[in-house]
Parts: sequence; structure tokens; C-alpha cells
Amino acid sequence: ETGVTQTPRHLVMGMTNKKSLKCEQHLGHNAMYWYKQSAKKPLELMFVYSLEERVENNSVPSRFSPECPNSSHLFLHLHTLQPEDSALYLCASSQGPTRGTGELFFGEGSRLTVL
Amino acid sequence: DAKTTQPPSMDCAEGRAANLPCNHSTISGNEYVYWYRQIHSQGPQYIIHGLKNNETNEMASLIITEDRKSSTLILPHATLRDTAVYYCIVRTYGGATNKLIFGTGTLLAVQP
Repeated sequence: ETGVTQTPRHLVMGMTNKKSLKCEQHLGHNAMYWYKQSAKKPLELMFVYSLEERVENNSVPSRFSPECPNSSHLFLHLHTLQPEDSALYLCASSQGPTRGTGELFFGEGSRLTVL
Repeated sequence: DAKTTQPPSMDCAEGRAANLPCNHSTISGNEYVYWYRQIHSQGPQYIIHGLKNNETNEMASLIITEDRKSSTLILPHATLRDTAVYYCIVRTYGGATNKLIFGTGTLLAVQP
């Protein structure tokens, strides 16, 4: 148990569906991240939020839409996805350098399959 | 951030020490060395990090060479549960966020 909870753990969706992935952290951290891990590829950083403001968007297609309503919750809204978007989506959180070591705490991931 | 180079895979006998090398020859003075591991289909797990001194915690030891161009992660008594992909990442630490860029890592297979 890392203190970062992701739901759902598994999701199967068609290309015309709209779904959302949810992440919640119980660690009091002030930064949250979305990573994507496709089969046999390194983790790719998608989005970074600090104090609920998006600070990084690594050229992610607009069919992925992040939302960070508060420092404990992070969503990834999905619509009109492609089969190549099938991957493990990982959420992480961290604390700023004034407290803690800046390490990232990851959730268990949401395994997405797009048909 | 400086680039790191790791062997793609390594084997280790259960109960023996696992020594995982990492080269980071272009590391700059304010960059830390982080180690994470990822057990199959789980989220990565932080192991240890250091700047220039050797570090030890309950999971592992980190040995950084004097010129800081390479480091070694040591798991003192490897178990089957240590089978995972181990990532060495070099990163400046001090901003509000810690945007770690993961490479392909080293797949450590602990053999019974």
C-alpha cells in the first residue's frame, strides 16, 4: 500500500466511449503525475500538476484530458481513444523539496484496453 | 537531465548480493542519482537516492564513485521477490515537482 489509489484497476472500452481514470493520494503531497507504460516500452510522463495547476503536458493527444480538482485527486478523462492507447496508466504523487525527499509514490496502475 | 546507461538484464542467485551498475558520465554537480524498481505490472517503487556520498537504507545501498560518473545499487541478500526492472535516474532535485524520466532499466532475475 503506497498511499496512492487508482481506480479502476482494469478498463476495457470501445473507441467511441468516454471513460475516466481516477487517482487519489492520502499522503498530503502537493504534486501529482500521470505516466503511460505501453507494452515493452519505458514509462512516459504525460502530465504533471503542482498545487492543482498543470505544469507540464508532454505533447499528449487531446483525446486525453487531465483534471486536478484538488491536491488529493487527479483524473484522466478518455474519449475517442485508439487501440494503440492500450497501456498501463500510472498515477504518482510527490512532496516538494522543503519536506521529504521528492520521491514519487506510484499507484498500482489502471490497465486500459481499447477495442 | 543527464543520460544513464544500464545493462538490459542481470541474473543473481538467491541469498547473494545483487550489484546493479549505472553509468551517468554527463552528470552535473546538482543532479541526484535515484533508483526505482518495478515488479511486473505494478507501479514503480522508490528504493534510494544520493548526491555524492554513499547511502544505505533498509532496502539497499547506493555506492557513487568519487567522480560521480557511475554508481552501483547493492541489494545485500537478494530474494525471489527482488526480481524486477531496476531504473537508475539522474535528476536535479529542488523544484516543486520531480519529473522523473524513466529509461529501459535493468531486468534483475533472482534465481533459486
